[in-house]
Amino acid sequence: DAKTTQPPSMDCAEGRAANLPCNHSTISGNEYVYWYRQIHSQGPQYIIHGLKNNETNEMASLIITEDRKSSTLILPHATLRDTAVYYCIVSPARNEAQKLVFGQGTRLTINP
Amino acid sequence: DAGITQSPRYKITETGRQVTLMCHQTWSHSYMFWYRQDLGHGLRLIYYSAAADITDKGEVPDGYVVSRSKTENFPLTLESATRSQTSVYFCASGPRRDGETQYFGPGTRLLVL
Repeated sequence: DAKTTQPPSMDCAEGRAANLPCNHSTISGNEYVYWYRQIHSQGPQYIIHGLKNNETNEMASLIITEDRKSSTLILPHATLRDTAVYYCIVSPARNEAQKLVFGQGTRLTINP
Repeated sequence: DAGITQSPRYKITETGRQVTLMCHQTWSHSYMFWYRQDLGHGLRLIYYSAAADITDKGEVPDGYVVSRSKTENFPLTLESATRSQTSVYFCASGPRRDGETQYFGPGTRLLVL
């Protein structure tokens, strides 16, 4: 399974776009990129996922490079409630256990 | 209410005692998972289940037992609790489809004295 590399921490001003990078240079062709976040003392929360194309939902946008070796999660207008640890996970798309391997993630702090 | 719930939310026990953590989901998801989260280790998979009566080990299964007699329930039992099992335990569920997500419960904070 592919591994991911994320910066350990980032800061962003409230109201600005938060761009969280993730490297996954060994990703296989059928592996998805998932993003989850964990707000302090809560369970992880799904944000978005993608395979090849860029994706957008009500929470965020996911930009995947053409070679799929890296991706960026974009929170378009960060709020204080977006302060959390963000996990980039690559997971095989086989029809079996969707085991997620969580790394250390990026601790995003939104500053007022 | 629909969703995934865990009980108890907080538990204090003593070394050697048996403890069972409960997990219940109302979505009829095929997959269910147990993770533990410790400082310095992040989230680690303990056990998972692809369907009722089907379970398999994750990364750190030693000292834990699971069962899945019903699709909606996935209890985790610590047969003889040890201090190293002090942790926050998260249950999750997910549908049996490629590219689908997992939905996590609120967690159980377990302290073993």
